[in-house]
Formats: sequence, structure tokens, C-alpha cells
Amino acid sequence: NAGVTQTPKFQVLKTGQSMTLQCAQDMNHNSMYWYRQDPGMGLRLIYYSASEGTTDKGEVPNGYNVSRLNKREFSLRLESAAPSQTSVYFCASSEVGTAPYEQYFGPGTRLTVT
Amino acid sequence: AQSVTQPDIHITVSEGASLELRCNYSYGATPYLFWYVQSPGQGLQLLLKYFSGDTLVQGIKGFEAEFKRSQSSFNLRKPSVHWSDAAEYFCAVEFKLSFGAGTTVTVRA
Repeated sequence: NAGVTQTPKFQVLKTGQSMTLQCAQDMNHNSMYWYRQDPGMGLRLIYYSASEGTTDKGEVPNGYNVSRLNKREFSLRLESAAPSQTSVYFCASSEVGTAPYEQYFGPGTRLTVT
Repeated sequence: AQSVTQPDIHITVSEGASLELRCNYSYGATPYLFWYVQSPGQGLQLLLKYFSGDTLVQGIKGFEAEFKRSQSSFNLRKPSVHWSDAAEYFCAVEFKLSFGAGTTVTVRA
């Protein structure tokens, strides 16, 4: 099992460019998440998908869109990149039930916007 | 709103010494609590979690954590640190995970 995979690993964008970060999981999890990590701020939730066909905003959704393409894949799109979106982006997945299950994280995408 | 505070930004510890990382949370009820570890350039890995029951929980890599309701704390401990424990540690709360800012641990020989 590969777990959670993310592409690309690194990306440099110019201000105003768009891109999509891809995430896939092979653990048959229902829930998927996108976080951004900035120094001194821990990880902050951008969007999540509790199950296939649903998406909801997290703490910092502005400037981002997401698509839950199927149960395996959850993509994050930056329509018009800004320098403030320079960050490391992590995708995660988890099962759901009566109690929260642990989240499994991908290796991250390091994005620089110039 | 729930929040998580990790008071120590950076801790340096000698190899073989004990380690304690602090975590305080603000939440209306007993939360679900997690500790994750992130090695340089890597994703996050779960060390341990607390949902209910015994307030002392054991995790992987020799770590343990104790939930103290009266202090709203969930501190992480390890009796004897190895050089491979140098990493960043995050405390997190609840389902969609509110993370603390993290504590970076440096291990000196």
C-alpha cells in the first residue's frame, strides 16, 4: 500500500498562475483533508471531504477550491496564486465512525509563489 | 472555539535524557487528543491518541502521554531520548484536527 500520495512534491508559481495539487489514497478511507503548514502556525485545515460527493470549508479556505473526484482522490486548486499561499500543503485521509480515527498524511507539496 | 497551545517552541535535550512536551487545549468538553511527529521533509505520523478511559496512553517509539482534565493538558513524555527523536512534534484536538504550533526537539550527543 502506498498510503497517501501527493503530486507534485515541489512547485514554483508566479503570482496569478493557477495549479492543482493532486492527492490520492489507497486505504479506502471515506474522509480526506487538505492542510497548509506555515512556520510557527502548525497545520491549518483548508478544506475537507467527509465522504465522496461532499466538501466543506476549514479554517483557511479563501483562495482555494477542492474537488472530491472519487473516493480515492481529492484535489486542491489555486485559481490565482498569491505570495501568501507560499506554504507546504499536506493531504490526509481517515476513516470515520463513532469516534475520530487517526489521519494518515501524505509527504507534502512545497509551493513557492513569487 | 477549540484551540491548542504548545508553550515550548524549541527544546534541546541530551541523548539518553528524559523529554516532556507540553500541550494545553481549550475545549468545551473532553476532547479527542492526538500527538503527531514530523521528521524533516516528511509528513506527519501518529504517535498516540486519547479518546477516553485510562488517562495514561502509550504510543509508538516509546512515547506516552497523560491526559489531565483539571489542567486541560495532554503532555507527551519519553524516558530516554534517542538521536532519531529529533523532529517536530504537534499536539492536535478533535475530528478535523486543530493543531498546536509545534515543538521542535533537538537531540545533542
